[in-house]
Amino acid sequence: AQSVAQPEDQVNVAEGNPLTVKCTYSVSGNPYLFWYVQYPNRGLQFLLKYITGDNLVKGSYGFEAEFNKSQTSFHLKKPSALVSDSALYFCAVRDTEYNFNKFYFGSGTKLNVKP
Amino acid sequence: DVKVTQSSRYLVKRTGEKVFLECVQDMDHENMFWYRQDPGLGLRLIYFSYDVKMKEKGDIPEGYSVSREKKERFSLILESASTNQTSMYLCASWHRTSSNNEQFFGPGTRLTVL
Repeated sequence: AQSVAQPEDQVNVAEGNPLTVKCTYSVSGNPYLFWYVQYPNRGLQFLLKYITGDNLVKGSYGFEAEFNKSQTSFHLKKPSALVSDSALYFCAVRDTEYNFNKFYFGSGTKLNVKP
Repeated sequence: DVKVTQSSRYLVKRTGEKVFLECVQDMDHENMFWYRQDPGLGLRLIYFSYDVKMKEKGDIPEGYSVSREKKERFSLILESASTNQTSMYLCASWHRTSSNNEQFFGPGTRLTVL
C-alpha cells in the first residue's frame, strides 16, 4: 500500500533559522511526491513536487525539498524561516501503480516560527 | 487560475439531518475528490470521481454518498448526519496532464453536527 508518514506533529523554529519538516514514504513503483501548505481556515495550497530528475526540488515561497531514495524520505526545507511560514504542512504521494487517481496524505506537521 | 469553490464555509446541522456539501471547479478537470480532515489524522479520502456519473469509494466511505451529474460539480451527501461526522471537509480537483500534477483544493467546509 502507498503511504506517507510525518513523524513530527509540530516543529518550532526561530525566525531566521533554517527549518526542516520531515516526510517518509512507502510506495511500490516510482514515487510522485508533493508538499502542500494550509493556512488557518483555508484549503491546501501546492508548494512543490518531485516526479523525476534532480533530487533537490525548489518550490513556492523559498521552500525546497530533498528526495532521498535510499532513505525513502522527502523532507521540506527552507534556509531562513519567516513568521509568516507558520502553518500546517502536508506531505502527499500519488499512487502510480494501482490507482493513478488516488493521493495519500500524511497526518500533517504544524510549523511554528517564533519572532 | 483554477478555482475550486465550496458552497458553505461553516455549517451546523442536527443529528439525523440529510446534509449536502457542494463543490464546483472551473477548469474542466475530470477528477474530483472529497476528503475529511481531522487533527492528527491528516486528510482521508471519502470518495472520488474520475468522470461524470462515475464514482469510486475512498478509504472512509461509510455514512457518505456522492453525486456527479455534471463535470464541474461534485456533491457529498450525508444521508443521516451523526456527531462523528463533525469535521472539516475539503474538495479537490485534478487533471493528470496539469503542469505540476497537483490537486487544487477548495477552502473547506467546517461541519458541526449537534
